[in-house]
Amino acid sequence: EAGVTQFPSHSVIEKGQTVTLRCDPISGHDNLYWYRRVMGKEIKFLLHFVKESKQDESGMPNNRFLAERTGGTYSTLKVQPAELEDSGVYFCASSQVGGRTEAFFGQGTRLTVV
Amino acid sequence: GEDVEQSLFLSVREGDSSVINCTYTDSSSTYLYWYKQEPGAGLQLLTYIFSNMDMKQDQRLTVLLNKKDKHLSLRIADTQTGDSAIYFCAAPAGGTSYGKLTFGQGTILTVHP
Repeated sequence: EAGVTQFPSHSVIEKGQTVTLRCDPISGHDNLYWYRRVMGKEIKFLLHFVKESKQDESGMPNNRFLAERTGGTYSTLKVQPAELEDSGVYFCASSQVGGRTEAFFGQGTRLTVV
Repeated sequence: GEDVEQSLFLSVREGDSSVINCTYTDSSSTYLYWYKQEPGAGLQLLTYIFSNMDMKQDQRLTVLLNKKDKHLSLRIADTQTGDSAIYFCAAPAGGTSYGKLTFGQGTILTVHP
């Protein structure tokens, strides 16, 4: 069974540009989460989808970040325009709905804004 | 909200035991987790402990939970070079979803021969 897959694995963009990160969750997982780790700091929650609906977006830093999950399958996270402080590793995780179920994480996308 | 703290670095010799410590603030956390991140890889759930337990053992891993002090530790027995990684302590951040977690900064474990 394929795990959580994230694209690209690395992205280097200039300040002011737009970047779109993609996450393909494990098939059948309705919960999808985005997290971010800024260099050397803790991993911080960004938002949570249940199917195509945003359940909790309390961690989104500002309106330059837009997450979508059309059709309740894969999700995208767009940063527009990117700023230097957006650099970090963006993780996606998915889990089944119901009870204490393990969240499976992708390998992350390392975003560098120069 | 929940706050989770960890020491940043730990260096041990191969074959020794490693102990990684974590403190948290929310006493209502039902589960506490340890994740491992190897270089270039994603986060892997190593183990978890339910809040009504004091200890959980899984092969070389022992998790100790001190609820009074809100202190969690992960002990790795007979540490191997393959155990070198970043270890994250995590607790549910609240809400209805167990997947919404608050993580510590991560402890970089270095195992040398």
